[in-house]
Amino acid sequence: GENVEQHPSTLSVQEGDSAVIKCTYSDSASNYFPWYKQELGKRPQLIIDIRSNVGEKKDQRIAVTLNKTAKHFSLHITETQPEDSAVYFCAASIQGNNDMRFGAGTRLTVKP
Amino acid sequence: DGGITQSPKYLFRKEGQNVTLSCEQNLNHDAMYWYRQDPGQGLRLIYYSQIVNDFQKGDIAEGYSVSREKKESFPLTVTSAQKNPTAFYLCASSTLDSPLHFGNGTRLTVT
Repeated sequence: GENVEQHPSTLSVQEGDSAVIKCTYSDSASNYFPWYKQELGKRPQLIIDIRSNVGEKKDQRIAVTLNKTAKHFSLHITETQPEDSAVYFCAASIQGNNDMRFGAGTRLTVKP
Repeated sequence: DGGITQSPKYLFRKEGQNVTLSCEQNLNHDAMYWYRQDPGQGLRLIYYSQIVNDFQKGDIAEGYSVSREKKESFPLTVTSAQKNPTAFYLCASSTLDSPLHFGNGTRLTVT
């Protein structure tokens, strides 16, 4: 089955710097890659997603890139702010939510 | 905020007791899911249901049971057979092609 690895497990940046989180997946048939943000004590929330028919997607300060050949995708956050501090999870799926596999998470801390 | 509600937020039980976690959604979503979250690990799927009166095992179903008698409700029972039940449990729902929408979770502690 699909296996998703996520790095780094923790990331600390200064406010205003960029943050990059990387994930790799094992099954080349995976075609949907969402990213979730989970603030302390709260529910995971979708922040951006990408499908395998595009290589990059951007939403304001957040972007995701996908390299299907290498089977990895990355989350890029620019101009980081303290409110970006949270745990971020990547995920990959083939058929939809039923076979979604999540990475272990990255705890991002943005220092003011 | 509303949409999908999990209760209670915190739950404490003695070892050997079964316990049921509640999950209710008013989003008219067909599919519902239960995940387990442990420190340093991603979300792992316990059970999912795509339609009323039908559900399927996920990756870690052993020691858990579910029911889906109503579209809005998908309760999870953690049985005494679950060897390590202390964890954070997340319920989610979706239409078949939409992203997951999560509840706020229930933190279960078994001593």
